[in-house]
Amino acid sequence: GDSVTQMEGPVTLSEEACLTINCTYTATGYPSLFWYVQYPGEGLQLLLKATKADDKGSNKGFEATYRKETTSFHLEKGSVQVSDSAVYFCALSGYGGSQGNLIFGKGTKLSVKP
Amino acid sequence: DAGVIQSPRHEVTEMGQEVTLRCKPISGHNSLFWYRQTMMRGLELLIYFNNNVPIDDSGMPEDRFSAKMPNASFSTLKIQPSEPRDSAVYFCASSFDRSYEQYFGPGTRLTVT
Repeated sequence: GDSVTQMEGPVTLSEEACLTINCTYTATGYPSLFWYVQYPGEGLQLLLKATKADDKGSNKGFEATYRKETTSFHLEKGSVQVSDSAVYFCALSGYGGSQGNLIFGKGTKLSVKP
Repeated sequence: DAGVIQSPRHEVTEMGQEVTLRCKPISGHNSLFWYRQTMMRGLELLIYFNNNVPIDDSGMPEDRFSAKMPNASFSTLKIQPSEPRDSAVYFCASSFDRSYEQYFGPGTRLTVT
């Protein structure tokens, strides 16, 4: 079945460092891909999305490109801030038999130190 | 615009008691999802509704869990009887349609002692 694998955390970075969180997926058909962020004590918020191959989603300085050839959707940011400390979830929208729900990775906790 | 509303935000109960969690989706959304989040198992989909009809409840852990959506603006998740292993944060999410991005509520933190 469809699945999402993302790098295990926690990830600890200094402010202004570069961030990459790897995400790969297995899916039938052509899923949409998402990154969600969960700040402490809150629900998940959509960070960015891409709906077809080669699409680039971007928001708040974060970017991710839908790479069909490598089945990847890595999250990147050039310069992280303390306020980016959160848990990041990669997800795909099921297609075909699993259409109708999001399949999430296990999440990657990011801590940014001043 | 109001987002997804969940109540209560925190619930502490004793083992064996009935627990009811409530969710009001975003107006105009026709899909609703219930998730459970724990440290050990991460984020798990319990059940989702489309146009008030349960579509997939394969994630509901056992018969002690039940969910209803009597109308487009309200859903409940009930646990009866509750057990300590049910302690988790329960999220409700809604979307415009099944394949669109989901908007999450703030969650209900349930503690069963």
